Amino acid sequence: DAKTTQPPSMDCAEGRAANLPCNHSTISGNEYVYWYRQIHSQGPQYIIHGLKNNETNEMASLIITEDRKSSTLILPHATLRDTAVYYCIVRNLRETSGSRLTFGEGTQLTVNP
Amino acid sequence: ETGVTQTPRHLVMGMTNKKSLKCEQHLGHNAMYWYKQSAKKPLELMFVYNFKEQTENNSVPSRFSPECPNSSHLFLHLHTLQPEDSALYLCASSLDPGTNTGELFFGEGSRLTVL
Repeated sequence: DAKTTQPPSMDCAEGRAANLPCNHSTISGNEYVYWYRQIHSQGPQYIIHGLKNNETNEMASLIITEDRKSSTLILPHATLRDTAVYYCIVRNLRETSGSRLTFGEGTQLTVNP
Repeated sequence: ETGVTQTPRHLVMGMTNKKSLKCEQHLGHNAMYWYKQSAKKPLELMFVYNFKEQTENNSVPSRFSPECPNSSHLFLHLHTLQPEDSALYLCASSLDPGTNTGELFFGEGSRLTVL
């Protein structure tokens, strides 16, 4: 799976949009971009994933650049409960060995009141 | 509530003890996973089971022994652990590889302390 690079930490004001970047310059055509988050001392939680089109769900939006070398996770109206470590993961969905995900260091997002 | 339940949530054990961690999923999934998260380190994949068969072991020491009696239950048997094995152990499940979307559902984790 391709490697991803994320900033170690970011701050955001409550009620504002949080834009979390991820670089995945070695991504291949079969690899999807996944985002998970982990609130302190809890298990990671799936947020969203995409291949090349922008995606939106009730939690967030995922913007993938045209060359697919980077992406941005957008939390449109961040709340204090969005404070967590956010992981950007690239994975080939056609793997047969289960949905193994390789987690990196992630970005610690702190939402401030 | 993710549909993946882990027990116990906290466990303290001595190096000579034998204990087990339990994971149960109520999502109808066929793949189950153990991950380890040590302090200030990324999550590390330990074991993968598909349809009760172990498909991946990431060079985990034999003092960790997994067991998957059916697709809904996963155990991690612990024996003669070391203090450096203290960590958060996370269980996850997903649909089988042929139909999955890549989404993992994680439990809340079992916090293990080895004295």
